[in-house]
Amino acid sequence: AQSVSQHNHHVILSEAASLELGCNYSYGGTVNLFWYVQYPGQHLQLLLKYFSGDPLVKGIKGFEAEFIKSKFSFNLRKPSVQWSDTAEYFCARMDSSYKLIFGSGTRLLVRP
Amino acid sequence: DTEVTQTPKHLVMGMTNKKSLKCEQHMGHRAMYWYKQKAKKPPELMFVYSYEKLSINESVPSRFSPECPNSSLLNLHLHALQPEDSALYLCASSQDRGLFTTNEKLFFGSGTQLSVL
Repeated sequence: AQSVSQHNHHVILSEAASLELGCNYSYGGTVNLFWYVQYPGQHLQLLLKYFSGDPLVKGIKGFEAEFIKSKFSFNLRKPSVQWSDTAEYFCARMDSSYKLIFGSGTRLLVRP
Repeated sequence: DTEVTQTPKHLVMGMTNKKSLKCEQHMGHRAMYWYKQKAKKPPELMFVYSYEKLSINESVPSRFSPECPNSSLLNLHLHALQPEDSALYLCASSQDRGLFTTNEKLFFGSGTQLSVL
């Protein structure tokens, strides 16, 4: 079955630090990848997605992700985090039935 | 209007109760979804409706019964739930199931926090 893995369950950073959250996807099938963010007490929001084309995807709020086929990775990056980026981040993949399969999530805490 | 509205926001029910969760969107989306999210876990898909027909049921127990009365509404009827069913129930919608186009995305509601006693 198609899946995604997020190995960092908790990340703690200071403001202005750079962020990289890991996401690896399983081999096989069409690769459609997403990053979602869930701020405390709020609903899931799409940050960015990759379907095809430029492997470097720009999203909202200064986030970007790079699709690296050889590494089966789609890591999320931000050059300088803010306290307001404290949230849970989910990588997700669409499977062949058009279902979104979510990773286990990474909780990011940004200290002011 | 780019919102998916879910009611109620919180629900506490006993194991013998019957209740319903409601979801509404007015974006003209033709695909609607129910997800279940346990604390500190990712959302898990339960059901998908496409053009008001149930297209995916992820082997969900029959004590959960979805209904799509029209293209804007999605209900989840609950009956004889167990305490382990306590979770955040998320509704989502998208223009179509495939999410193919660049601007296509899944819109999530804020969820109903359900506690089963």
